[in-house]
Amino acid sequence: ETGVTQTPRHLVMGMTNKKSLKCEQHLGHNAMYWYKQSAKKPLELMFVYNFKEQTENNSVPSRFSPECPNSSHLFLHLHTLQPEDSALYLCASSQVGEVFYGYTFGSGTRLTVV
Amino acid sequence: GEDVEQSLFLSVREGDSSVINCTYTDSSSTYLYWYKQEPGAGLQLLTYIFSNMDMKQDQRLTVLLNKKDKHLSLRIADTQTGDSAIYFCAGLNSGNTPLVFGKGTRLSVIA
Repeated sequence: ETGVTQTPRHLVMGMTNKKSLKCEQHLGHNAMYWYKQSAKKPLELMFVYNFKEQTENNSVPSRFSPECPNSSHLFLHLHTLQPEDSALYLCASSQVGEVFYGYTFGSGTRLTVV
Repeated sequence: GEDVEQSLFLSVREGDSSVINCTYTDSSSTYLYWYKQEPGAGLQLLTYIFSNMDMKQDQRLTVLLNKKDKHLSLRIADTQTGDSAIYFCAGLNSGNTPLVFGKGTRLSVIA
């Protein structure tokens, strides 16, 4: 596998469920990101991890909980979500210090909260 | 912080040129990028330009940067139906702060 892989591709969950989104990068990058893409809104940066340390949390509600166990894996744990949390969740990675190539994105997880 | 603005829709005929425009606010933006998102997919890096450049050409793609007006454009020559997608402009400053994206321009190509 190459690039950035996200699983699952689609997820439907009830408001009382707990689920996790997974992201894995095979590029040797040292930074990983979660973005939220909703209809009619700009891409919203949620979390940033540089060298496994969380460096940004853009006022994201606590019902979203990120985890970065190593530089290749990133998780987004979800619990007691609201219908307005339905969106495409995109993971990206980059090599900090070498911004020439920008970010590499995964295909996203389409989340529907019912 | 950075703010990036784009028009939301553009419709062109197959074979014509498409020009997608973007304005940004942070004059310290060092790198500017164009990404393409096809339906059901993530964002794919199309091209980039450094702030010390005015123009960059890559096959059918031409990027123009006007630093004075903080305006970036992407021209697609001989637009094809496969170019139908959402195009995002994004900026990054030298401090390695995360990319800031515009809302995206939906390009529709009419056969």
